[in-house]
Amino acid sequence: RKEVEQDPGPFNVPEGATVAFNCTYSNSASQSFFWYRQDCRKEPKLLMSVYSSGNEDGRFTAQLNRASQYISLLIRDSKLSDSATYLCVVIPDSGYALNFGKGTSLLVTP
Amino acid sequence: ETGVTQTPRHLVMGMTNKKSLKCEQHLGHNAMYWYKQSAKKPLELMFVYNFKEQTENNSVPSRFSPECPNSSHLFLHLHTLQPEDSALYLCASSHPGTSGREQFFGPGTRLTVL
Repeated sequence: RKEVEQDPGPFNVPEGATVAFNCTYSNSASQSFFWYRQDCRKEPKLLMSVYSSGNEDGRFTAQLNRASQYISLLIRDSKLSDSATYLCVVIPDSGYALNFGKGTSLLVTP
Repeated sequence: ETGVTQTPRHLVMGMTNKKSLKCEQHLGHNAMYWYKQSAKKPLELMFVYNFKEQTENNSVPSRFSPECPNSSHLFLHLHTLQPEDSALYLCASSHPGTSGREQFFGPGTRLTVL
């Protein structure tokens, strides 16, 4: 079983739509969780951390469900500029490794 | 930008060549990383350096040889590579004790091995 699994998509949504991505992880001892964003042919950049209580940053909401070992990202009122690949990242309980999912591709259309 | 630079941005090399990738960070971090990103695969951590000491080698073949002369610079020396080593090689840096800390990525070197 892969450590971090994501639906690769692509998700094609119209501007203004709400879209949600899920990610599951296999290591129940994982401690830290993030969503990174990667634009085409660019480097990944941190979008937001994910906290157990859930957290929101503008149009973006992240949730963590430790019991079911999944993380979600909700994007409201999608913009064209949200088109990118969204990477789910999990840090295990020790070491420095970031475990990346393959990413979910989002295309927001006019 | 991110404060992490990489050179060259593109590299084409034959299987018998020797080349080096360079990474420099201007963020005052003490941990640096090499990642490999291949098509349709997740990012794979290759090496971790913490205060210039290698703390992780993720079963990387010996044809990849990292070097970290100081906390700001990281190299990846390449020799006798295989075509399947063609990928985007990303450098990243962070504060040490990185659990929960953001990693900042450079723009990457796109490597093609012929």
